[in-house]
Amino acid sequence: SAVISQKPSRDICQRGTSLTIQCQVDSQVTMMFWYRQQPGQSLTLIATANQGSEATYESGFVIDKFPISRPNLTFSTLTVSNMSPEDSSIYLCSVDSLAYQETQYFGPGTRLLVL
Amino acid sequence: GENVEQHPSTLSVQEGDSAVIKCTYSDSASNYFPWYKQELGKRPQLIIDIRSNVGEKKDQRIAVTLNKTAKHFSLHITETQPEDSAVYFCAARWNDMRFGAGTRLTVKP
Repeated sequence: SAVISQKPSRDICQRGTSLTIQCQVDSQVTMMFWYRQQPGQSLTLIATANQGSEATYESGFVIDKFPISRPNLTFSTLTVSNMSPEDSSIYLCSVDSLAYQETQYFGPGTRLLVL
Repeated sequence: GENVEQHPSTLSVQEGDSAVIKCTYSDSASNYFPWYKQELGKRPQLIIDIRSNVGEKKDQRIAVTLNKTAKHFSLHITETQPEDSAVYFCAARWNDMRFGAGTRLTVKP
């Protein structure tokens, strides 16, 4: 499986500020996904990021709040904008398997606390 | 869109007993059904998966069964060990992956 890294691993931010999370993969992948996992909850898909096109957002998530970049086949960023305490969560990137594109693997996550 | 329901939300078993977690899905087009294990503070790890052309798959102490007609699938863990304690998520995929709410499994020594 691909090796996925995320930066930062954790951060504490003030409300009203923005944080950009980076996701790096050690091989080229077609699909990259961004998920949110609130404390004690399941994984909720924020958006799908394809290289060369606009990200596709799920219901309840908008580009102004969660802008995403996908400049190449190994990298993506998610920005959490104008943060509020409700944005405190773990943000995970995920990629499709190289061999079996239905299979997804997750990065280590970014633990965000907004004060 | 796809809706995945998972039961139970918590499960406690004695070491050596079996554990079963069940999921149902709504979209008959879903054709891929993975199970992830998430330990505290860690990322979800894929432990087993099944595709729609297969009814059962086994990997050592872990097995998954799929009933496409009834749109449900189950995870079976036999001879449970304390290190099996974690949160388990089922998922179903057609285009996007949709996750169940999770089951917190506790294996008591």
